[in-house]
Amino acid sequence: SQTIHQWPATLVQPVGSPLSLECTVEGTSNPNLYWYRQAAGRGLQLLFYSVGIGQISSEVPQNLSASRPQDRQFILSSKKLLLSDSGFYLCASRREWANTGELFFGEGSRLTVL
Amino acid sequence: GESVGLHLPTLSVQEGDNSIINCAYSNSASDYFIWYKQESGKGPQFIIDIRSNMDKRQGQRVTVLLNKTVKHLSLQIAATQPGDSAVYFCAEKAQGAQKLVFGQGTRLTINP
Repeated sequence: SQTIHQWPATLVQPVGSPLSLECTVEGTSNPNLYWYRQAAGRGLQLLFYSVGIGQISSEVPQNLSASRPQDRQFILSSKKLLLSDSGFYLCASRREWANTGELFFGEGSRLTVL
Repeated sequence: GESVGLHLPTLSVQEGDNSIINCAYSNSASDYFIWYKQESGKGPQFIIDIRSNMDKRQGQRVTVLLNKTVKHLSLQIAATQPGDSAVYFCAEKAQGAQKLVFGQGTRLTINP
């Protein structure tokens, strides 16, 4: 099965500072990759997904961006963080050839913007 | 559709009782459905899935029921245990789509 690594696990950043969250995947190749955000006590909001290197689809307008420099690497970035960017960020992976929709999730990165 | 801005509804059950968690979906083109369990501070974990050509699927202590007529999905947990305390999310995927759309989630708490 797949293993999703996310880091850092916890991050406290001031408003206006940059952000870089990294996600790497083991145990599969050519995965579809996803970034979700979860506010405290809320559901999962899809931010970005990627079906291949350099291919990024954005689901919601925001000051975040995503990049996929390698097949199993997915990065979430911001040039200037806002208070509203605080949340629990989850990276997920799905086998490109899978005939199911099952996603494998990482353990998340908790971001607090002060 | 997604309800990411809403507070999670809560379901409280006695230990040992059966739990039923419900989910309504909106896309009649969805052909694959999945339940996830998320413990506090962790990423969601797969519980069970079902395709639209089925009405029921059973796993270990869990059963998923799908009613396509009313676009309703439910998760039944038998003999609920303290370790079942978590937030449960349903998700749907349309045929050919690249993404799962998650429901708002339900927080399950177990009373001793």
